[in-house]
Amino acid sequence: DTGVSQDPRHKITKRGQNVTFRCDPISEHNRLYWYRQTLGQGPEFLTYFQNEAQLEKSRLLSDRFSAERPKGSFSTLEIQRTEQGDSAMYLCASSLVSGEGNQPQHFGDGTRLSIL
Amino acid sequence: AQSVAQPEDQVNVAEGNPLTVKCTYSVSGNPYLFWYVQYPNRGLQFLLKYITGDNLVKGSYGFEAEFNKSQTSFHLKKPSALVSDSALYFCAVRSSHSGGYNKLIFGAGTRLAVHP
Repeated sequence: DTGVSQDPRHKITKRGQNVTFRCDPISEHNRLYWYRQTLGQGPEFLTYFQNEAQLEKSRLLSDRFSAERPKGSFSTLEIQRTEQGDSAMYLCASSLVSGEGNQPQHFGDGTRLSIL
Repeated sequence: AQSVAQPEDQVNVAEGNPLTVKCTYSVSGNPYLFWYVQYPNRGLQFLLKYITGDNLVKGSYGFEAEFNKSQTSFHLKKPSALVSDSALYFCAVRSSHSGGYNKLIFGAGTRLAVHP
């Protein structure tokens, strides 16, 4: 399978703990995106990288959230001091820069985070 | 501000009948429009996109969508529905403007239920 891979698929943790998620994009894709999806809603943009550079961050990404893509390949999303409201599906997507950037984003199966 | 509206929470259709899932959008500049499908506990799968050219675009699994600039709509259609088409469908838009507008804005989703 050469699609976008996310790990873990599920994470259950207690409020106040730190969590880290990993995303491996499609190998030739140089753009990587993080979205958050809550029940009954569409995905909401969090941040995106072109290669290793983080080029845009949503206001949803509070200072408890940090994302990295150190070598322009895989990415990690860390949430510190988790809160109940962080419970959601965290989706990673990747795409290839082409022309005006109109290539579709391809999504992984997500990491479902549950805060106890 | 960019936005997407999917006015129907759920669409019910009998197997073999045509289906339509509605989407309207608001964006500055020319729109890039996308449809994605999501099955339970999975990520989003790309179905089709409109960038420019013919208003009727064809995508995966027999789906097509019609772009209507005057009505700012991008409705998803299929001539003959299958039970296996039952899933959650998301419409998304991004602006053609460069300078960081790479994120997709999603609608809230429409649940399609195809009955045998």
